[in-house]
Amino acid sequence: SAVISQKPSRDICQRGTSLTIQCQVDSQVTMMFWYRQQPGQSLTLIATANQGSEATYESGFVIDKFPISRPNLTFSTLTVSNMSPEDSSIYLCSVMIGRIYGYTFGSGTRLTVV
Amino acid sequence: GDSVTQMEGPVTLSEEAFLTINCTYTATGYPSLFWYVQYPGEGLQLLLKATKADDKGSNKGFEATYRKETTSFHLEKGSVQVSDSAVYFCALQDDKIIFGKGTRLHILP
Repeated sequence: SAVISQKPSRDICQRGTSLTIQCQVDSQVTMMFWYRQQPGQSLTLIATANQGSEATYESGFVIDKFPISRPNLTFSTLTVSNMSPEDSSIYLCSVMIGRIYGYTFGSGTRLTVV
Repeated sequence: GDSVTQMEGPVTLSEEAFLTINCTYTATGYPSLFWYVQYPGEGLQLLLKATKADDKGSNKGFEATYRKETTSFHLEKGSVQVSDSAVYFCALQDDKIIFGKGTRLHILP
């Protein structure tokens, strides 16, 4: 399975600012996935990031709020823009190496907006 | 569409007790089934998986059997430890992965 390095692991940010989260994978993958986990909740898919094309966003998530970059097959960033306290969540990146192997997740970024 | 339903928590048990966390699913295809664990302050880790009917996934003393006839994938462990305290997510994967809501497990010493 893949190993994902995600950073920062946590941050406390001021309302109205932006935070960029980085994920580095130790192998080349076609798709990377970004999830949000609100307090006490399950994971919600934000978007799927393919290298060389625009990310595909799920219903309720827009590019202006969550811009994603995918410059190569091992790296992606998610930016949480113009933050409000409602954005306080854990954000996770994920890859799938093969269908039967399941998904591998980064360790998550715990974001608190004050 | 596909969905996963797992028992609500929190579940509180004493150390060495038997654990069952129920998970049922609805799927139109033939999904793979997974249990993920999230320890406090960490991301998700794959605990075990099963890719076809009657497969049994196992890891760290945990087991789950893919039951097509009952569309279930219940997680079991014979003797839990304090270190098993975490949130457990059942998931199915066909075209995309779908998670249950998670079950928080507290083990008391």
